[in-house]
Amino acid sequence: EADIYQTPRYLVIGTGKKITLECSQTMGHDKMYWYQQDPGMELHLIHYSYGVNSTEKGDLSSESTVSRIRTEHFPLTLESARPSHTSQYLCASSGRGQGGPDTQYFGPGTRLTVL
Amino acid sequence: GESVGLHLPTLSVQEGDNSIINCAYSNSASDYFIWYKQESGKGPQFIIDIRSNMDKRQGQRVTVLLNKTVKHLSLQIAATQPGDSAVYFCAENQAGTALIFGKGTTLSVSS
Repeated sequence: EADIYQTPRYLVIGTGKKITLECSQTMGHDKMYWYQQDPGMELHLIHYSYGVNSTEKGDLSSESTVSRIRTEHFPLTLESARPSHTSQYLCASSGRGQGGPDTQYFGPGTRLTVL
Repeated sequence: GESVGLHLPTLSVQEGDNSIINCAYSNSASDYFIWYKQESGKGPQFIIDIRSNMDKRQGQRVTVLLNKTVKHLSLQIAATQPGDSAVYFCAENQAGTALIFGKGTTLSVSS
């Protein structure tokens, strides 16, 4: 079944740790996105990719980095986590395949807490 | 920059009533609009979309209306159910650009 997956769903870590949030999709999409969202609030685009080896920063400045080595996979890395990084991180994809070219489909999100 | 906003942050309705959630957008060049539903602890879920060459589109229990003259978008939910309780976001874009999301309206349905 075509879908978009995120792991872990919940993560609690200490300040200074390096973490990687995983995102994979089997939708056949070429575009992928990372959003940061506080509970019930608007979504802020932090990174996006329009294809393999293509990554761009979004509207919201973020200390995270991303990579796109495979079409299906778009991991997000924080080199040194801080309490200000506490938030929900949502991954999405769009493109050829399931849905219209601009319709974004979202994963379940990763709830990150940095102590 | 240009953004999409929603008129009301919260909306409370009784089960069985019809709900109307509104959204105003500022970019007159936008040609694609989407409504998403986000339940607590989950990612946004696609509900319905509409292109700028249409005024109305209907789905199962949901209708989206687009008024390009006043740059207004609305989502109508018929016979609202407790399971409809969630945060609803509108989003818009021009072809090939990233979606811009509004602030969200929290719909609460009481039985």
